[in-house]
Amino acid sequence: SSELTQDPAVSVALGQTVRITCQGDSLRSYYASWYQQKPGQAPVLVIYGKNNRPSGIPDRFSGSSSGNTASLTITGAQAEDEADYYCNSRDSSGDVVFGGGTKLTVL
Amino acid sequence: EVQLVETGGGLIQPGGSLRLSCAASGFTVSSNYMSWVRQAPGKGLEWVSVIYSGGSTYYADSVKGRFTISRDNSKNTLYLQMNSLRAEDTAVYYCAREGRAVTKDGYYYYYMDVWGKGTTVTVSS
Repeated sequence: SSELTQDPAVSVALGQTVRITCQGDSLRSYYASWYQQKPGQAPVLVIYGKNNRPSGIPDRFSGSSSGNTASLTITGAQAEDEADYYCNSRDSSGDVVFGGGTKLTVL
Repeated sequence: EVQLVETGGGLIQPGGSLRLSCAASGFTVSSNYMSWVRQAPGKGLEWVSVIYSGGSTYYADSVKGRFTISRDNSKNTLYLQMNSLRAEDTAVYYCAREGRAVTKDGYYYYYMDVWGKGTTVTVSS
């Protein structure tokens, strides 16, 4: 199965914009979905498809894609956005793949 | 309310077996793609298995031949039968509903929009 690569850690100043990226060959064929996970909690879907947000997800979260790279952007990061973020896609064999996760610190 | 509740986790010796259950409410398991995802202590998310609405099943290489995903339509419940358990199977196991769609320009996308709170499996002697 293919791999999805994420930076292990990213930091952002409160109120600033941060982009979290996910790279992988499968992203040329599939849009990524993005999940937020806070300590001790289950993952929560924040972005899916081209740039869709589930109900209840703030509009400061957005997604984009170019070539083999998907990005999750948080515009005006808040303290409550500090969490681990995972990307997810499928590969050509139908297997589900997750990125290794990015730990976001809001300073 | 749309909800998933996992049960069946616990402490099990290496080589043992365990069956996890995931009871769904607010939607029909058999009409959806359903996955199991696990997370080892301090590690990232790892996909384990998926069952499609049509009944096809797929597994991660790490569990192939040892784990079996299934569902009981009458109980609206998803299962994961885990055999020949190893220490490296120790994790929180989540079940998740997977949606899917295709865009006008032909891109497919999948997304896990409903997750349970997870059940903990510890494999240790």
